[in-house]
Amino acid sequence: EAGVAQSPRYKIIEKRQSVAFWCNPISGHATLYWYQQILGQGPKLLIQFQNNGVVDDSQLPKDRFSAERLKGVDSTLKIQPAKLEDSAVYLCASSHQDSKNIQYFGAGTRLSVL
Amino acid sequence: AQTVTQSQPEMSVQEAETVTLSCTYDTSENNYYLFWYKQPPSRQMILVIRQEAYKQQNATENRFSVNFQKAAKSFSLKISDSQLGDTAMYFCAYVINAGGTSYGKLTFGQGTILTVHP
Repeated sequence: EAGVAQSPRYKIIEKRQSVAFWCNPISGHATLYWYQQILGQGPKLLIQFQNNGVVDDSQLPKDRFSAERLKGVDSTLKIQPAKLEDSAVYLCASSHQDSKNIQYFGAGTRLSVL
Repeated sequence: AQTVTQSQPEMSVQEAETVTLSCTYDTSENNYYLFWYKQPPSRQMILVIRQEAYKQQNATENRFSVNFQKAAKSFSLKISDSQLGDTAMYFCAYVINAGGTSYGKLTFGQGTILTVHP
């Protein structure tokens, strides 16, 4: 079974530029999560999707961050414009309704904003 | 606020020895699940062990076991016969059972860096 796929692995941009991250969850996983992990901290949820609907986006900075999961499968997270404090690892995770709340993570995208 | 605290920023252990990582959490919910995840330098978050809060029996998974004290809201991880491949950042986390098959976000601690020395 293929795991959660994320791309790119690394991205370096200058502040005020835009960037997009892509995630393809494990096949059949209806729930998809985006987490932000700042260096030296634990991941924090940005947004949670159930199929193509948003379940929780309370911690998403909506003035600059957006995310979509149009067909209920893969998802894109965008930042526009980026700030220095957005430098972090962006982790995507997915879970299946029968997986007993276990979330499976991708390898993440490391973003550096200069 | 719902929080997870890992009071040990760094730990080290000799190969083949035993080490215990500490975790305390705070939630007003009664139906939740606790996890330990391992994050090696590759950044892939890997599930180590899972505990259901309504079960009193401590979970075990090969060399990994937990000491779950629900009243004290404590959830420590014991690694026996430590191996070089256990070197990683370890995160304690929980998720609230939102009912049915719906689960919310994982709330993570700050992590403990574990180094296993040969």
